[in-house]
Amino acid sequence: EPEVTQTPSHQVTQMGQEVILRCVPISNHLYFYWYRQILGQKVEFLVSFYNNEISEKSEIFDDQFSVERPDGSNFTLKIRSTKLEDSAMYFCASSDPENRAHSNQPQHFGDGTRLSIL
Amino acid sequence: AQSVAQPEDQVNVAEGNPLTVKCTYSVSGNPYLFWYVQYPNRGLQFLLKYITGDNLVKGSYGFEAEFNKSQTSFHLKKPSALVSDSALYFCAVSRLYSSASKIIFGSGTRLSIRP
Repeated sequence: EPEVTQTPSHQVTQMGQEVILRCVPISNHLYFYWYRQILGQKVEFLVSFYNNEISEKSEIFDDQFSVERPDGSNFTLKIRSTKLEDSAMYFCASSDPENRAHSNQPQHFGDGTRLSIL
Repeated sequence: AQSVAQPEDQVNVAEGNPLTVKCTYSVSGNPYLFWYVQYPNRGLQFLLKYITGDNLVKGSYGFEAEFNKSQTSFHLKKPSALVSDSALYFCAVSRLYSSASKIIFGSGTRLSIRP
């Protein structure tokens, strides 16, 4: 079964540095998402992306965050100047619009990137 | 606004016994409900969904969930637990018929199955 892949699996970064998290969604999917899970807490929505623009974003997704689909396969999340509180597991997800009318296609999640800010 | 509540942080069950993981939801309009499971150091795996129709939905690994509109609940169940079912379980809700709907997750319930 096709999978969403994320790289790296673990990223360690100094506070204040920029970090880019990478995702390869399932190839025929057109909706892309980033979620975050701080250790021991719930999974939180960050942003959704469709047709090369943001569809929706949460309060967490402030000016320090940006997303991009630089080519036909990758979907990236950039954090411009990392803070200690950005330490979390970041999950990418994708979904297939072909089933939208039936609304029965769930989002497929990658295994996540664990981001540790020092 | 949409929200999901999982009242139990942890559920402990003996292998072979039935299990229930509780979930209640709040959403305007018709709910689109999910259960996801997370194994250690892994992403979220889809278990099952409810859109409409039969209130009892069956999913992966022998799990099922019962939608109860009057109680706004969507409890996850399995007739006979396995040790391998031990994991973190998330109930989730999304708006129906929205093309790029975000998923709102509950806080998660850790299921521990003892041999």
